[in-house]
Amino acid sequence: AQKITQTQPGMFVQEKEAVTLDCTYDTSDQSYGLFWYKQPSSGEMIFLIYQGSYDEQNATEGRYSLNFQKARKSANLVISASQLGDSAMYFCAMRKTSYDKVIFGPGTSLSVIP
Amino acid sequence: EAGVAQSPRYKIIEKRQSVAFWCNPISGHATLYWYQQILGQGPKLLIQFQNNGVVDDSQLPKDRFSAERLKGVDSTLKIQPAKLEDSAVYLCASSLFAGPQHFGDGTRLSIL
Repeated sequence: AQKITQTQPGMFVQEKEAVTLDCTYDTSDQSYGLFWYKQPSSGEMIFLIYQGSYDEQNATEGRYSLNFQKARKSANLVISASQLGDSAMYFCAMRKTSYDKVIFGPGTSLSVIP
Repeated sequence: EAGVAQSPRYKIIEKRQSVAFWCNPISGHATLYWYQQILGQGPKLLIQFQNNGVVDDSQLPKDRFSAERLKGVDSTLKIQPAKLEDSAVYLCASSLFAGPQHFGDGTRLSIL
């Protein structure tokens, strides 16, 4: 069965510094997609970045990049130049195929310190 | 483009009462999802529709929860009767084929 693990329940980072949020996944499939979402205290889920299992390059979206290591089954999110508005819960998620369900990890709470 | 619309934003009911939530996905999104998110946890998929057909409802407590997506557009999730453990945020999301999910603002349900 598929499973997402996020081992860091809570993280602190100084404003303007970079931070890495860990995500490991368990699947026996070769084709899958990995997602990261941000959930501020207001509750909405915001899509950040996507990585396909066959993508040769790591995904990047502005200050967000994904450190994808397929052999280790890890898809860590890197946030560069942290801002106070980055304080939120961050969820890693995986979908096996286009029509398969999306599995979410337990999340990491990130706090950015001024 | 307009986002995923959900209503109501908040609902307070007593246990054993019934409640319904409504979701209107982004226009053109064939896939619609209902998630339950308990405080401090990640979202748990309750049901996934592809157009008006059910793709996955393996975690839907079918003795009390039901969902429908008539005409493959908007959807309704119902709980009858509600239990205390149903207190959660109910999130609706939609997506294009193989694309990321776009979420609504959610309905925060409190059971007294």
